[in-house]
Order: sequence, then C-alpha cells, then structure tokens
Amino acid sequence: DTAVSQTPKYLVTQMGNDKSIKCEQNLGHDTMYWYKQDSKKFLKIMFSYNNKELIINETVPNRFSPKSPDKAHLNLHINSLELGDSAVYFCASSFRETQYFGPGTRLLVL
Amino acid sequence: GEDVEQSLFLSVREGDSSVINCTYTDSSSTYLYWYKQEPGAGLQLLTYIFSNMDMKQDQRLTVLLNKKDKHLSLRIADTQTGDSAIYFCAESIGPEGGADGLTFGKGTHLIIQP
Repeated sequence: DTAVSQTPKYLVTQMGNDKSIKCEQNLGHDTMYWYKQDSKKFLKIMFSYNNKELIINETVPNRFSPKSPDKAHLNLHINSLELGDSAVYFCASSFRETQYFGPGTRLLVL
Repeated sequence: GEDVEQSLFLSVREGDSSVINCTYTDSSSTYLYWYKQEPGAGLQLLTYIFSNMDMKQDQRLTVLLNKKDKHLSLRIADTQTGDSAIYFCAESIGPEGGADGLTFGKGTHLIIQP
C-alpha cells in the first residue's frame, strides 16, 4: 500500500517536448509538494500546494506548472523540456509536521 | 535567508557510532528533520525534532539540537552496512500545517568500512 506514488518511474524524452509526471497520495493529507533533486543530489522545493494556496519557488521557470485535479493528486507539467531539466523529481505530501516522499521520477532529457 | 549546511562525506567502521552534523541559519525553524536516501531510492523520514526540544531518541538514533548554536546532529549507534546512504538534514520554518516546504542540506554520504 504505497502512501505517495509517482508515475512514471523513469522518463526519457527529447528536448522541446512537453511531459507530465503524476503524483497520488492515499494518506488524506492536505498539502502536496514537488521537489527537484539534481545530479549532485541537491534537493530544492519547486512548489507546495493545498486547496487554499499555491506557493511557487521563484527560481522555478514558468515552463513548470502544477495541476491538482483533487486533494489526492498533484501532477507536474513541464513544457518545452531543456537539457537542464534532467533530474529526479520527488512528490511529497504532509500533515502537520510530517512530510512523506514518493519514490521519485527520473527524468532524462536528450 | 534559509541555509542548511552539512559535511558531504562521513566514513565510519561497522559497529562504531556515526555522528552526522548539520547547521542551519534560520532561527525561526519550527521542526528539524533527518531523511535517509539509499542509492536509487526515495527519501525516507528517519526522525524529526521540534525546535523547543534538545534531544530525541528512537532506538539506534539520537537527535541532538542546540538551538543557540543552530546545530543539529544525528547519532547512529552500532552502525551497520545497511546504514550506508545519504542523510539529509532539513528544516521547516512555516507554521505547523502550513504549506511551506522543507529546506534541505546537501546531504552527507555515510560510508561504512568493514
């Protein structure tokens, strides 16, 4: 019973393409997040979202957009993919002080 | 601003204790966390501590927080080969239940020598 799940696990695509990564949590949490982990393992928050507010890290290009069809899902859409977008993207959800992460989506842009 | 610093590598012998250190700059941190990431895997929440506590123990793990010096440490007793991973320190500065994310350190690679 996976708490936070992401699909796909691996994504290989060409520069310029548009792609989406899906995230679902079955924990009943109100807040979800997207983080990016680069090749040096550095983790940075991209977005946080609950049903009241979206907080965007100002360093994230506007080619990235989160979409939340309901409280259990927060998908990440990426337009016009660039080489530098290659990374592992982690979804997370939280309730109060505890935050749980998904297994990650490994994106490779060629 | 927010900044969380960790040493990049720590090497210990199997059976010894490992102590991973972290410093942070934001005095308004509410919670501080330790996450573990094994190769090719996601982030596993190991433990966390509220900012008004100075110690928390959970089996082989001991977290010490020195709020005055903004220093957090994770001690792993009797280190085993399965403890080999990257350990991330992270802080939360928002209110409990808020939508603020975590600020992570760059991670400490724990290497276990036989």
